[in-house]
Amino acid sequence: DSGVTQTPKHLITATGQRVTLRCSPRSGDLSVYWYQQSLDQGLQFLIQYYNGEERAKGNILERFSAQQFPDLHSELNLSSLELGDSALYFCASSPWDAAGELFFGEGSRLTVL
Amino acid sequence: GNSVTQMEGPVTLSEEAFLTINCTYTATGYPSLFWYVQYPGEGLQLLLKATKADDKGSNKGFEATYRKETTSFHLEKGSVQVSDSAVYFCALRIQGAQKLVFGQGTRLTINP
Repeated sequence: DSGVTQTPKHLITATGQRVTLRCSPRSGDLSVYWYQQSLDQGLQFLIQYYNGEERAKGNILERFSAQQFPDLHSELNLSSLELGDSALYFCASSPWDAAGELFFGEGSRLTVL
Repeated sequence: GNSVTQMEGPVTLSEEAFLTINCTYTATGYPSLFWYVQYPGEGLQLLLKATKADDKGSNKGFEATYRKETTSFHLEKGSVQVSDSAVYFCALRIQGAQKLVFGQGTRLTINP
């Protein structure tokens, strides 16, 4: 158990819909990272927050947004969903701003039908 | 740009066989290098790391040496077990950068 909690574990929805994925980092960790894992693109970095502030942005679509709240949990919002958004979305946390060892949650599997 | 290339899987071996999973990288500057492992149904977890050239990371019988001259960080284990069946990811981080850049992952299956 990494100490990172992601909900929901599984989510099935339809194209055009909006979903929110939630992540609680390990106790004391200030950084939260979101990654998308798909079969054809591997693990893609989406975005990172450190103590509530956005610190780095990767290949995140404009339809996606994220935030980190004062209690350090984070949410990833995916809107106008397309079939290609079906993937496993991982949250990871670390104590620091610059990534070293990341502690990953078990992921949220999103299926868009 | 910064990237990681791993040998394509899947890799299937018998128990007690020798394992090598190749990883090469392209990076601006001097990266730290990592191997992460993902067991079925779980998130990724750090297996080992090396932060400078010629460093050797090791854990659970796995080893990898940071080779700057060949820009490689190959993962090795002398005698694999069924419990080593998982997906293995090589990754790098440029000093001062926020994100880890991952390779595509290599699925390893060990048969008894």
